[in-house]
Amino acid sequence: EAQVTQNPRYLITVTGKKLTVTCSQNMNHEYMSWYRQDPGLGLRQIYYSMNVEVTDKGDVPEGYKVSRKEKRNFPLILESPSPNQTSLYFCASSPLGYGTDTQYFGPGTRLTVL
Amino acid sequence: GIQVEQSPPDLILQEGANSTLRCNFSDSVNNLQWFHQNPWGQLINLFYIPSGTKQNGRLSATTVATERYSLLYISSSQTTDSGVYFCAVGRSNYQLIWGAGTKLIIKP
Repeated sequence: EAQVTQNPRYLITVTGKKLTVTCSQNMNHEYMSWYRQDPGLGLRQIYYSMNVEVTDKGDVPEGYKVSRKEKRNFPLILESPSPNQTSLYFCASSPLGYGTDTQYFGPGTRLTVL
Repeated sequence: GIQVEQSPPDLILQEGANSTLRCNFSDSVNNLQWFHQNPWGQLINLFYIPSGTKQNGRLSATTVATERYSLLYISSSQTTDSGVYFCAVGRSNYQLIWGAGTKLIIKP
């Protein structure tokens, strides 16, 4: 089954404790992206990757890191989480960027930083 | 940057009703998409429609790029149509700017 998986689905952590949210897709897509969703704001792009070892900042990259060492994986790293990073996070992938390609979204990761 | 405004913010309808959701954007774009987020949080593409009209079953969308707006039509609403509908626009294939969404509740 074609899918994007994210882990963990729910995470409660404390300020400053490094964490990684994993994202994996099994469709051999070149493009992957991370978003955060906050009430009343829609989705905002954090980082995206056009292919292995090619990443770029989205609209809200501060406080986040990403890496794309393999085509299927695109982890989101919070080196020192803060309460303002409490949010719902989505990973997405598509064959070649947005264009006319369908984007596939992961189920979301709800992060709470205390 | 490009601003995206969606209206109405909330919409409550009876099953069987028709609805029109609007998306206004502040600058020219070459990419516009509509998404649906169901009550369980799952996000799904509905349309890629930078201009023109498309239809998919009970849903259709029209974008008038010269006037910077897009409309999403839902006919004969069903309870499974409930959720949040997002419009997202962009000038490239790699970045999209999302609106705040329209929350639609369909009552049985």
